[in-house]
Amino acid sequence: GNSVTQMEGPVTLSEEAFLTINCTYTATGYPSLFWYVQYPGEGLQLLLKATKADDKGSNKGFEATYRKETTSFHLEKGSVQVSDSAVYFCALGSGGYNKLIFGAGTRLAVHP
Amino acid sequence: EADIYQTPRYLVIGTGKKITLECSQTMGHDKMYWYQQDPGMELHLIHYSYGVNSTEKGDLSSESTVSRIRTEHFPLTLESARPSHTSQYLCASSEFGTPLEAFFGQGTRLTVV
Repeated sequence: GNSVTQMEGPVTLSEEAFLTINCTYTATGYPSLFWYVQYPGEGLQLLLKATKADDKGSNKGFEATYRKETTSFHLEKGSVQVSDSAVYFCALGSGGYNKLIFGAGTRLAVHP
Repeated sequence: EADIYQTPRYLVIGTGKKITLECSQTMGHDKMYWYQQDPGMELHLIHYSYGVNSTEKGDLSSESTVSRIRTEHFPLTLESARPSHTSQYLCASSEFGTPLEAFFGQGTRLTVV
């Protein structure tokens, strides 16, 4: 069945460091891929998405590229800020499955 | 800005009480979902709906029930709350079809004492 695996946290970085959060997936067909972010005490917000192979989603300095050959959708940011501290969820969606499948979430803590 | 609202944001209630968590969206989305989020952050789908009068159980068994008598409204009810129901509950909605982008409410943090 469909599944998402993302790297375990917490990830602790200093401000302006480079961020990578790994995400790999298993799916039949051609799913869409998403990164959601959850700030403390809040619901999830869509951060970026990609709907087909080689698409790059980007938003707020974050990027992720849909790699079908490696079934991956790693999240990257060149220079993190304290305000980026949050939990990040990778997810896949398939019309045939009709639901979003979430990874377990990765907590990011950025220190000044 | 997503237009999906959950009330209350926080609820502390005694064991055995009946509770209803409210979720409303103004986007006209057919699909709605309830997720339970445990302290370890993982999201578990407990209920979903494809439209009015449609409700389905999710991947995680739950003692809660849901109803969908209006497109915009998807309340979750616990007939008799227990401490094991203490959790964060997140409501979401999406349009039909791919790419299934979901919009989330801010969540209700339920504590049963």
